[in-house]
Amino acid sequence: KAGVTQTPRYLIKTRGQQVTLSCSPISGHRSVSWYQQTPGQGLQFLFEYFSETQRNKGNFPGRFSGRQFSNSRSEMNVSTLELGDSALYLCASSLVSAVSSSGANVLTFGAGSRLTVL
Amino acid sequence: AQSVTQLGSHVSVSEGALVLLRCNYSSSVPPYLFWYVQYPNQGLQLLLKYTTGATLVKGINGFEAEFKKSETSFHLTKPSAHMSDAAEYFCAVSDRRDDKIIFGKGTRLHILP
Repeated sequence: KAGVTQTPRYLIKTRGQQVTLSCSPISGHRSVSWYQQTPGQGLQFLFEYFSETQRNKGNFPGRFSGRQFSNSRSEMNVSTLELGDSALYLCASSLVSAVSSSGANVLTFGAGSRLTVL
Repeated sequence: AQSVTQLGSHVSVSEGALVLLRCNYSSSVPPYLFWYVQYPNQGLQLLLKYTTGATLVKGINGFEAEFKKSETSFHLTKPSAHMSDAAEYFCAVSDRRDDKIIFGKGTRLHILP
């Protein structure tokens, strides 16, 4: 079956612009999580969506937002881009979410969207 | 709050030698523990996970990890390194209460010929 698909794979923006990234989870997966990966900070959790509801949120400013659609596809948006937002943004899907799962929430990751802010 | 510490951002081993990647965690409740691997230009793939039961967990590609509660560790090992093992490895912990998965900063494994 198809894996987690993220688009676009690469993009370049300038400071002050906004960007929208898309993630299509594995068919049947209802949870989508987003992570920011940078060389200095590693993977940092942004948020998780399950059944169109935000279930968990990391410690990022309000410029970072997301949503999930009824078909489980998710988008994340970053407004007023800063140089420090340059990163690989990873999306991961899983069958279940935090509230309802046994806890061993295995994530399947997409290849990521690499954002460069100039 | 949960946290994960991976000792060594870069580890180099010779082909055929033992691979040991260290991971220590902090969690106020018994955790779930994971190791993921990331190859260049790819997302992360699950290597193995510990939930309950046997503390020695076997994963894909010959890797295994042992959960040691007394040491709060979950080190990853492989008896004999292969060139194809060169990648970045991430240890992760999940709190049984809210399942948010926290990753370590990663260890890049280099295999020397």
